[in-house]
Amino acid sequence: DIQMTQSPSSLSASVGDRVTITCRAGQTINNCLNWYQQKPGKAPNLLIYAASTLQYGVPSRFSGSGSGTDFTLTITSLQPEDFATYFCEQSFSAPQTFGQGTKVEIK
Amino acid sequence: EVQLVQSGAEVKKPGESLKISCKASGYSFTNYWIGWVRQMPGRGLEWMGIYYPGDSDIRYSPSFQGQVTIAADKSINTASLQWSSLKASDSAMYYCARLRGYYDKSGIQSYFDFWGQGTLVTVSS
Repeated sequence: DIQMTQSPSSLSASVGDRVTITCRAGQTINNCLNWYQQKPGKAPNLLIYAASTLQYGVPSRFSGSGSGTDFTLTITSLQPEDFATYFCEQSFSAPQTFGQGTKVEIK
Repeated sequence: EVQLVQSGAEVKKPGESLKISCKASGYSFTNYWIGWVRQMPGRGLEWMGIYYPGDSDIRYSPSFQGQVTIAADKSINTASLQWSSLKASDSAMYYCARLRGYYDKSGIQSYFDFWGQGTLVTVSS
C-alpha cells in the first residue's frame, strides 16, 4: 500500500488566514491525489481531485497543487465554516489510501 | 440529485453477523463503482473495497479481504457490507461512497464524489 503522510497533524488559525496543508506520498503517484473535508459527525466531502481540479460547488478559496510525491492544499482566506479535518487520498494504485488527517482549529 | 442513504446504527455482540446497506438514487446505479470506507473512533479513513453493479466486479483492500463481503442488488439500487462474525475491533463508522473515474494523461483518476451519511457499528459484549 502507498503510505500518505500529512503535515501538520493539526493547526490553529484565525478567520482570514492563509492555510497550507501538505501531503507526501511514499512513492510517485503522478497527480492522482484527492482532498476531502470532514466536519464533526459528518461524512467526508470532496474538495479537489486530480491534485488541482476543484470539485463543482467548492469555493475558489480552496486550491490544490503538486505532482509526483508532494502535494499541498491551500485555503487562501479561512472562513468560519472551514474549521474541519482535511484528508488527502491517493488514487494511483489500489488500495487507495488516505493521509491521517489535518485538523484545522480556531485560534 | 445523487443520494446515498445508509441503514441505521447497529449494536451487536462479538460473533454475531451483520449486514448494512446503502441505497442509491439520482443516477444510474450500474454505471459507477460504489465503495466502502471505515473510520474508527477518532481515527482516519480506510478504503475497504469497491463494487461495480454493472458486472458484479469487486476489489477488496488486502486489509479487509476475507473479513467482510461487499455486494449489491441492482434491482433495488442498494449496496451492502456484511460480516459473518463480528469482533470488537469492527466497531467503527462505515461510509458508502460513489466512485467516479476518468482517464487523463496520468492514467486513471478516481475519487469519491458522493457519500452516504454513515452507519455506526458498535460491537460489545
